Amino acid sequence: DAKTTQPTSMDCAEGRAANLPCNHSTISGNEYVYWYRQIHSQGPQYIIHGLKNNETNEMASLIITEDRKSSTLILPHATLRDTAVYYCIVRAPYAGGTSYGKLTFGQGTILTVHP
Amino acid sequence: DGGITQSPKYLFRKEGQNVTLSCEQNLNHDAMYWYRQDPGQGLRLIYYSQIVNDFQKGDIAEGYSVSREKKESFPLTVTSAQKNPTAFYLCASSIADGDTEAFFGQGTRLTVV
Repeated sequence: DAKTTQPTSMDCAEGRAANLPCNHSTISGNEYVYWYRQIHSQGPQYIIHGLKNNETNEMASLIITEDRKSSTLILPHATLRDTAVYYCIVRAPYAGGTSYGKLTFGQGTILTVHP
Repeated sequence: DGGITQSPKYLFRKEGQNVTLSCEQNLNHDAMYWYRQDPGQGLRLIYYSQIVNDFQKGDIAEGYSVSREKKESFPLTVTSAQKNPTAFYLCASSIADGDTEAFFGQGTRLTVV
């Protein structure tokens, strides 16, 4: 799986949009970009994923550049409860046999939302 | 409710003892994973299994063992050979194929004294 690079930490004011960047310059054509977050001492929570097109769900939006070498997770109206570690992960889909679509987590970005 | 359950939430053991962490899922997922997390660190993959009776070593498998006798269960044994077993252990599951999300349990915090 391709490696990802994220800033160590970011701050955001409550009610503002939080834009979390991720670089994945070695991403392969069949690898998806996933975002998870982890609130202290809990299991990670899935947020969103995408391959080429921008994606949006009830939690966030994912913007993937045309060359797919970077992406941005957008939390449109951050709240205090969005304070967490955010992980950007690149993963190949399971293709049978010995090819495993395992998740490889990096250090993530610590997002702190301030009142 | 469907989900993935880890038990216990907190576990204490004496040094030199083996301990088994439970992970059960009722999501009908083929794939299951064990991760370890140390304070201030990201998740590191210990073992993973894509199908019953098959599992593969992850990045830090030494000192750990697993079994996958049933689709629903993927227990992790922390053996006495693991030099630094105190950590937060997370279990996850996902559908084996396709671009699907992984579901995580709430974790087991193991402290070896």
